Amino acid sequence: QLVLTQLPSASASLGASVKLTCTLSSGHSNYAIAWHQQQPEKGPRYLMKVNTDGSHTKGDGIPDRFSGSSSGAERYLTISSLQSEDEADYYCQTWGAGFQVFGGGTKLTVL
Amino acid sequence: EVQLAESGGGLIQPGGSLRLSCAASGFTVTSNHMAWVRQAPGKGLEWVSIIYSSGSTYYADSVKGRFTISRDDSKNTLYLQMSSLRAEDTAVYYCSRVVTAIDYWGQGTLVTVSS
Repeated sequence: QLVLTQLPSASASLGASVKLTCTLSSGHSNYAIAWHQQQPEKGPRYLMKVNTDGSHTKGDGIPDRFSGSSSGAERYLTISSLQSEDEADYYCQTWGAGFQVFGGGTKLTVL
Repeated sequence: EVQLAESGGGLIQPGGSLRLSCAASGFTVTSNHMAWVRQAPGKGLEWVSIIYSSGSTYYADSVKGRFTISRDDSKNTLYLQMSSLRAEDTAVYYCSRVVTAIDYWGQGTLVTVSS
C-alpha cells in the first residue's frame, strides 16, 4: 500500500529556511510527488512536482524561494527567506493508475 | 488563465443526494484528467474520484458505489453526483485538474450532511 508520511508540524523563524519532508512507503521510492500549500481558510495551491532525480517543476507564479529535492524515498520542500504568508499547511501528493494519495500534511508555523 | 469554479454544495440530510458542478475555463475538461478531492472540517485532503481524458473513472473505497463522476463536453463542466450521503461525507469538495500531479484547484464548495 502506497502511503505518504509527513510530520504533523514544523516551525522556523521569519527570514530563515525550512525543509519539509515527505516519505514514500517501502517499495515505492520510485514515485514522483507534488507539493501543495494551503493557507488558512483558503483552498490548496499547487507548488511543484518533484521527480525521483530531484528535478522539480513549479506552478505558475511560485517564487524562487520554494524549491524541491529528493533522496531515496524522501521528497523535500525547502522554503528560504521565510515570510509570514508562508505559514500554512503543506501537503504532498502522489498518484498511480486509478488513484491519488495525499500525505497527512505538515503545519508550518513562522515564528 | 485556468480557472475552476465549484457549485452545488449545501446542507443535506443523511441518505440524501446532491450534485456538485465544476465549471472550467482556460482549458478543455475532456482533454485533461480531472479529480475531486475533499477536506473534512479540521482534517487533511482526501482524494475522492478521478476521470481520465479517456473517460475511465475511479473512486476511493469510501465513496465507491455511492458517488459518480462525469463531465459535460458542451458545458466544459465536471460533475460529482453524490447519493446515500452520510455524516462522514461532510467536507469542502474541491475540483482539480490533473496533469500527472494536480496542478490547479478550485476554491471548493461545502457539503454538510446533517439532520
